[in-house]
Amino acid sequence: KAGVTQTPRYLIKTRGQQVTLSCSPISGHRSVSWYQQTPGQGLQFLFEYFSETQRNKGNFPGRFSGRQFSNSRSEMNVSTLELGDSALYLCASSLGQGLGGTETQYFGPGTRLLVL
Amino acid sequence: QQQVKQSPQSLIVQKGGISIINCAYENTAFDYFPWYQQFPGKGPALLIAIRPDVSEKKEGRFTISFNKSAKQFSLHIMDSQPGDSATYFCAANPDSNYQLIWGAGTKLIIKP
Repeated sequence: KAGVTQTPRYLIKTRGQQVTLSCSPISGHRSVSWYQQTPGQGLQFLFEYFSETQRNKGNFPGRFSGRQFSNSRSEMNVSTLELGDSALYLCASSLGQGLGGTETQYFGPGTRLLVL
Repeated sequence: QQQVKQSPQSLIVQKGGISIINCAYENTAFDYFPWYQQFPGKGPALLIAIRPDVSEKKEGRFTISFNKSAKQFSLHIMDSQPGDSATYFCAANPDSNYQLIWGAGTKLIIKP
């Protein structure tokens, strides 16, 4: 089975721009979660999607949004980029069997975003 | 409190030694405690996990020790190898929520 894929792998943007990141989950996985990873901060949860619906949301401003398509692929959008948005953005998929955080999450390699 | 505190932030261990990473939590409702391992350029991957009904779980050279009364759990890597060099994250699952609460991570370097 192919793993979780994320595109693009690297991205350079300037302040004020917007960006869209894409995530393709493992085949058969219906839940997709997004995380922001920065040095010293660990993984900060952004949101989780299941069956095209946002099921859970972390404590990030409204500039961060996402969506999920009927094939479970997901996109994340960040508008009006700020310097502090520079980070590794990770996508994780899981079966989505309603087991919540006890379901194993399978992570993609991430998209490294640099905001100048 | 929905926090998981992980220490140390970084750790250097000689090859063959024991690596120990600690995590502490406050919410007694947490009921699942996984450890994830992340290599450079890769996303984290589940390494080992434990539930609070057992005090220890071992998989190969990796052991989770769980102290429910102290609300602490730790990862022990026996006979540490250079290939174990990675960042390790502990996490905990709140009983009433879908998302994991993550520690800040420990960068482990095993010196040959």
